[in-house]
Amino acid sequence: SQQGEEDPQALSIQEGENATMNCSYKTSINNLQWYRQNSGRGLVHLILIRSNEREKHSGRLRVTLDTSKKSSSLLITASRAADTASYFCATLANQAGTALIFGKGTTLSVSS
Amino acid sequence: GAVVSQHPSWVICKSGTSVKIECRSLDFQATTMFWYRQFPKQSLMLMATSNEGSKATYEQGVEKDKFLINHASLTLSTLTVTSAHPEDSSFYICSASPSGLYSGYTFGSGTRLTVV
Repeated sequence: SQQGEEDPQALSIQEGENATMNCSYKTSINNLQWYRQNSGRGLVHLILIRSNEREKHSGRLRVTLDTSKKSSSLLITASRAADTASYFCATLANQAGTALIFGKGTTLSVSS
Repeated sequence: GAVVSQHPSWVICKSGTSVKIECRSLDFQATTMFWYRQFPKQSLMLMATSNEGSKATYEQGVEKDKFLINHASLTLSTLTVTSAHPEDSSFYICSASPSGLYSGYTFGSGTRLTVV
């Protein structure tokens, strides 16, 4: 099962530009998390935002959450070539022991 | 922090054979573990929830007789792909969290299965 959509599906930008990815989900959640995956390798956890939070920062990352619209966005500022990867949002329901459900992902390409 | 070890990292097998993938929580106990499958250029799809000491819960469309899950201890879950076919070739990844928490989900590094 998948929670929802992410857009854009693919994003190409130049180094130094900002990248914004959006995620929508369908059910009520406990938290929403963003992950990065480099070329079919393992997942790297980026940031977690709880359902009672609206915005969170971590380094060059800024995540927002709008529970009324069931949507989240991930902003990467001053992007670098090393940011090239696939980015996924994943939601966790309000029930302990349930799985993270992933969105379809955005493939980000940052060229130098 | 919580660490999940998954192996093998990659495996090539012949059609019709079975392959076992292990997922271990190294420094915490996990009553529940999760198995995902990821096809190229796609997202992670939840296959099943593995429960220690009881039967796994499979997602709709996942054949439980083909993807055997055993969670015999609080630190080990295994996924066996039986009678593998080329269409089973995929990236399989497991996940676990210290019991009862809403955060701290940790992922294994994944297993690349190629069936020839």
